[in-house]
Amino acid sequence: KQEVTQIPAALSVPEGENLVLNCSFTDSAIYNLQWFRQDPGKGLTSLLLIQSSQREQTSGRLNASLDKSSGRSTLYIAASQPGDSATYLCAVRTGGGNKLTFGTGTQLKVEL
Amino acid sequence: ETGVTQSPTHLIKTRGQQVTLRCSSQSGHNTVSWYQQALGQGPQFIFQYYREEENGRGNFPPRFSGLQFPNYSSELNVNALELDDSALYLCASSLEGGNEQFFGPGTRLTVL
Repeated sequence: KQEVTQIPAALSVPEGENLVLNCSFTDSAIYNLQWFRQDPGKGLTSLLLIQSSQREQTSGRLNASLDKSSGRSTLYIAASQPGDSATYLCAVRTGGGNKLTFGTGTQLKVEL
Repeated sequence: ETGVTQSPTHLIKTRGQQVTLRCSSQSGHNTVSWYQQALGQGPQFIFQYYREEENGRGNFPPRFSGLQFPNYSSELNVNALELDDSALYLCASSLEGGNEQFFGPGTRLTVL
């Protein structure tokens, strides 16, 4: 059974700092890994999708890496801004179908 | 291109009642998945529909059921509501064989 863990559970940083969010998964036989952002009480916004054959993906100030063999992914946020404050979730697609298994998220607060 | 929409936004029910939640998939997407997100947790996979048939189910009891219509919109029905059913219900759509899932804003269900 796939299990996804995210560390830390919460993080508070000053504006402008670079930061790394971590995600680990127990079954390395994944199709892809997706990072999402969730604002309080809202739906999920897809940030980055990494296929199992890829090592990293970049979008603006965001960079996600994937090490499938060790069951790890990181989301790097450069020059953080208060608008980046949200919960960040990683999810892996394992096996047939499009079922995603989610971690419990990292709640990020970027302070002025 | 219209994104994933869900209705209603909020809903309050009492124990034992039945509820129907609705989802319209993103244009051209024929696969719909439903997730339950309890407060402070990551989303949990309920089930997925592809071409009007259930195509995968998570660890949820039979009182959680669904439908998909020819236009690929979908319904989630929950019978005999329990207090623990209080959660944010998220719908996600994707293309057949597609990798990325796109989520709607969710329906907040409160069971009293």
